[in-house]
Amino acid sequence: HVQLIQSGGDVKKPGASVKVSCKASGYTFTNYGITWVRQAPGQGLEWMGWTSANNGNTNYAQNFQGRVTMTTDTSASTAYMELRSLRSDDTAVYYCARRLGYCSSGSCYNWFDSWGQGTLVTVSS
Amino acid sequence: AIQMTQSPSSLSASVGDSVTITCRASQDIKDDLGWYQQKPGKAPKLLIYAASSLQSGVPSRFSGSGSGTDYTLTISSLQPEDFATYYCLQDYDYPLTFGGGTKVEI
Repeated sequence: HVQLIQSGGDVKKPGASVKVSCKASGYTFTNYGITWVRQAPGQGLEWMGWTSANNGNTNYAQNFQGRVTMTTDTSASTAYMELRSLRSDDTAVYYCARRLGYCSSGSCYNWFDSWGQGTLVTVSS
Repeated sequence: AIQMTQSPSSLSASVGDSVTITCRASQDIKDDLGWYQQKPGKAPKLLIYAASSLQSGVPSRFSGSGSGTDYTLTISSLQPEDFATYYCLQDYDYPLTFGGGTKVEI
C-alpha cells in the first residue's frame, strides 16, 4: 500500500536552512506529484507548494517564493523540501502528500490521498 | 488567490447528530474541492474529493455536495471517532488554499 515516510524532527536557529525528506513506496513514484503542507502549532493547514515527480515542475505559494525549493530524486523515490532563511514563525509540522487527480469532460480534479506522518521543525535561538 | 471561507469554526454535537460544514470560495472552483479530517497529532485524512466523491474506505455517513462557490460536508450520524477538525481545500487554481477549519467537539 502507499506509504510516505518523512525524515525526523529538527531544531534550527534563525537564518538557517532545513531540508525535509519524504520517501514514497507502494506506487510508481513518477506517476504522481508531491505537495507540501505545513501547520504551525495550534493553527490550520497552509499549502506550501507542489512538485511533479515526473518532470520536476514546481509551483510554490507566494509566501515561500525565493525561500523554498522542492525537488525529487526518482532513483530513490524521495521528495525533498528545503526551506531557507528560517524564522521563528516557520516553527511547524511539515507534511508531504501525494497529489493525484483526473480530467473528465474538460474539467480536472486533484486531491491529496496519502500523507506522510509529519516532521516537526522548530526554529529557535 | 482564491479565498476559502469555512463555517462554523467550531461546533458542539452529540453522537448520532447530523452535522453540516460549509466552505465558500471567493470564485467558482468548478467542484475541484476536497474535504480532510484531522485528529490531534495526526496527518490529515482525505474524506471527499471532486466535491462529492467518497474516498475509498471512508464511511458512507460522510458526504459532500455543492457547486460553483458553495460546498458542504455532511456527517449524517456522528460517531465518537468523528470528533476532529475538518478542512476544505480548493485545488482549482494556484495557490491552493485551505479553509480555516471546523473543530467538531462533543
